[in-house]
Amino acid sequence: DAGVIQSPRHEVTEMGQEVTLRCKPISGHNSLFWYRQTMMRGLELLIYFNNNVPIDDSGMPEDRFSAKMPNASFSTLKIQPSEPRDSAVYFCASSRPLASYEQYFGPGTRLTVT
Amino acid sequence: SQELEQSPQSLIVQEGKNLTINCTSSKTLYGLYWYKQKYGEGLIFLMMLQKGGEEKSHEKITAKLDEKKQQSSLHITASQPSHAGIYLCGAPSGSRLTFGEGTQLTVNP
Repeated sequence: DAGVIQSPRHEVTEMGQEVTLRCKPISGHNSLFWYRQTMMRGLELLIYFNNNVPIDDSGMPEDRFSAKMPNASFSTLKIQPSEPRDSAVYFCASSRPLASYEQYFGPGTRLTVT
Repeated sequence: SQELEQSPQSLIVQEGKNLTINCTSSKTLYGLYWYKQKYGEGLIFLMMLQKGGEEKSHEKITAKLDEKKQQSSLHITASQPSHAGIYLCGAPSGSRLTFGEGTQLTVNP
């Protein structure tokens, strides 16, 4: 299995620009998670999908952030407009049915907003 | 909400030495998950503990959940450079997994 795939691996953009991060979960997994990791705040859950439906988006910082999961094999996290404080590593993770806490993480997207 | 405190925050050991990392919860744990993260990579699931007193091992790593289910320890025997990384404990909190801040382990050859 290819594991969780994320793209791009690195993104450098200017403040105000739109950024789209992409994730392909492991086939057969029905839960998908978006996390953000920074030195200051550690690992934070942004949003969690189950069977393509957003279940918990309480971690989404503000309206500038949005996430979609149009089908079981693809999800996006969009930031519009981006700000320097959004600079972080964004991880996507997926998990099997009935094992949502045993999560498989992608390699992450390192986002730098200048 | 669930809060997890890990100790120590960082640890430097000589190759071959044993070490222990602790994870303490402010509430009763209904599951405790250990993950490892290498620099620049995503987290890797190591082990899950659910029952008080439960102990699991994988290669040279052993994790245990205490009887009161408020503390877990992760023990590495005869550490190797490949064990280096950040170890994070996580616990279910509603629909999410809450993580500790992590313990950074360095193993010097």
